[in-house]
Amino acid sequence: AQTVTQSQPEMSVQEAETVTLSCTYDTSESDYYLFWYKQPPSRQMILVIRQEAYKQQNATENRFSVNFQKAAKSFSLKISDSQLGDAAMYFCAKGGGADGLTFGKGTHLIIQP
Amino acid sequence: SAVISQKPSRDICQRGTSLTIQCQVDSQVTMMFWYRQQPGQSLTLIATANQGSEATYESGFVIDKFPISRPNLTFSTLTVSNMSPEDSSIYLCSVSGALGANVLTFGAGSRLTVL
Repeated sequence: AQTVTQSQPEMSVQEAETVTLSCTYDTSESDYYLFWYKQPPSRQMILVIRQEAYKQQNATENRFSVNFQKAAKSFSLKISDSQLGDAAMYFCAKGGGADGLTFGKGTHLIIQP
Repeated sequence: SAVISQKPSRDICQRGTSLTIQCQVDSQVTMMFWYRQQPGQSLTLIATANQGSEATYESGFVIDKFPISRPNLTFSTLTVSNMSPEDSSIYLCSVSGALGANVLTFGAGSRLTVL
């Protein structure tokens, strides 16, 4: 079974600072997709960023960027200039296509004003 | 991107009863996925529902407990049967392809509490 591991149950960061959320995964595939989703208290799952494994370039979406290390099976999310609205649960996920996604256990991100 | 509406948003149910959750998408989609999120936990895939075929269930989930219908390309239902307190969860409907290949878009979820 595929596994996605988020080793940080909770992280805290000062507003305007940078925080990095960790994610590792297990796979025997060479081509796959990786995702970070955000789930605020409203419980709506929101796509933050995605990475295609065959692309070496790290994905970036405004203040959000990833550090994708394929050999190490690592996919961390960096949030720059943290804002109060970034407070949420963040889930790392792998997969896509007909098999849906496999999610990690999540990291609760707290933004300190 | 697709807009997904789920009903009910939340409900409180009695042990032993069944509840059907509806998922309506504003565009035609091939694949729909049903997830369960137990309190304080991550999302677990229940089943994949494709129009015109039987749903495919993940290990640990069975059709008798979670029957799924997929009558057309914009609608699906998930029934939670013979509920027990352990079924108290958020149930989320999702579709793929609306935001790009392999990306899942989610509904807001249905929070069920079983007493």
